[in-house]
Amino acid sequence: DAGVIQSPRHEVTEMGQEVTLRCKPISGHDYLFWYRQTMMRGLELLIYFNNNVPIDDSGMPEDRFSAKMPNASFSTLKIQPSEPRDSAVYFCASSEYRDRAGRAYYGYTFGSGTRLTVV
Amino acid sequence: AQTVTQSQPEMSVQEAETVTLSCTYDTSESDYYLFWYKQPPSRQMILVIRQEAYKQQNATENRFSVNFQKAAKSFSLKISDSQLGDAAMYFCAYRSTLYGGSQGNLIFGKGTKLSVKP
Repeated sequence: DAGVIQSPRHEVTEMGQEVTLRCKPISGHDYLFWYRQTMMRGLELLIYFNNNVPIDDSGMPEDRFSAKMPNASFSTLKIQPSEPRDSAVYFCASSEYRDRAGRAYYGYTFGSGTRLTVV
Repeated sequence: AQTVTQSQPEMSVQEAETVTLSCTYDTSESDYYLFWYKQPPSRQMILVIRQEAYKQQNATENRFSVNFQKAAKSFSLKISDSQLGDAAMYFCAYRSTLYGGSQGNLIFGKGTKLSVKP
């Protein structure tokens, strides 16, 4: 398995531009998470999906952020318009949520992250 | 709401020595999962070890082991025979066993930066 695949690895954009980050989760994982990492705030959850359905988007900073998961193998996080304070590393992670007894067990597998710089 | 606290922003260890990273958490739940993740300069988040709260036995993965003290809500990571490749940020994380809402979230501490001296 190739793991969780994120693209691009680095993105530099100008303020006001639209940015789209992409994620391919591990096949068979039914949960997908988007996290943002900054020095000030650490790792914070933005949104997560279960079976392609958004479950909790309370971490999405504002309406400029949107996320979609059109199918089990692809998700996007879009920022429009982007601002310098959006500069961060954005991680996608996927998870199986059940062990043999049906209990939540497995840790998440993270992608390599996208370093976004908005100038 | 659950919180995770890592009180050591930075730690240093001599190669081949042992180091312990601290983590405490706050929760009202009785069943949950705890994790340690490693983030090297490559920024990849790598799962190091995990512990189920219902298990009394401390988890062990090769040179990595935990000291899980449920009553004290403490979950420390011990790295034995430290190697240069262990240098990284280490994050402690908590996850509820409950489903739905924010309970599916991995809650992270702020991290401990570990340096390994040759």
